[in-house]
Amino acid sequence: EIVLTQSPGTLSLSPGERATLSCRASQSVSSGYLAWYQQKPGQAPRLLIYGASSRATDTPDRFSGSGSGTDFTLTISRLEPEDFAVYYCQQYGSSPVTFGQGTKVEIK
Amino acid sequence: QVQLVQSGAEVKKPGASVKVSCKASGYTFTNFAMHWVRQAPGQKLEWMGWINAANGNTKSSQKFQGRVTITRDTSASTAYMELSSLRSEDTAVYYCARDRGSRAFDIWGQGTMVTVSS
Repeated sequence: EIVLTQSPGTLSLSPGERATLSCRASQSVSSGYLAWYQQKPGQAPRLLIYGASSRATDTPDRFSGSGSGTDFTLTISRLEPEDFAVYYCQQYGSSPVTFGQGTKVEIK
Repeated sequence: QVQLVQSGAEVKKPGASVKVSCKASGYTFTNFAMHWVRQAPGQKLEWMGWINAANGNTKSSQKFQGRVTITRDTSASTAYMELSSLRSEDTAVYYCARDRGSRAFDIWGQGTMVTVSS
């Protein structure tokens, strides 16, 4: 099973600042099948990025994904108030599908 | 619009079973696989298993093998997840999610809260 480790656990930032979230895999992610989801309290996860760097439908262009192999990054160029949430990475190239433990982006 | 609508919250006693439904609309149900993911309170997302909606083939996480059954009714465009021998640690929100292949899990149900308590 591929273990995904996200860092930091919590990111305290102000609106307008840049957020950089990391996701490290215990082994190479097959075919770059790495996704990022946003989850707000009481809501289902929402797909933001798939294939490590492709934006899902309706994902604002301030969100970008990068990386390959075992190291991946989600960048939010300028935080908007609605971006404060928990972000999860997921690998879906190997069975079982696994998720990271999440990074909470909170208002400083 | 494309959506997945899940059944309502459940309260079960330890040892019982629960069956959660996930009704798809806005797309051809048999064209996409469906996954089940759960999230215990304050915890991360945990993958449980998936079903090929076209042929009914399933695969589940080893953690749940023997306790989880995933099925579908193509005439109703609905997938089901049944979890048996419930224990308190199974208290969680259970989600269905559509598999878009290389495009990950693009549509999620609203979640079903299952509480296991004596």
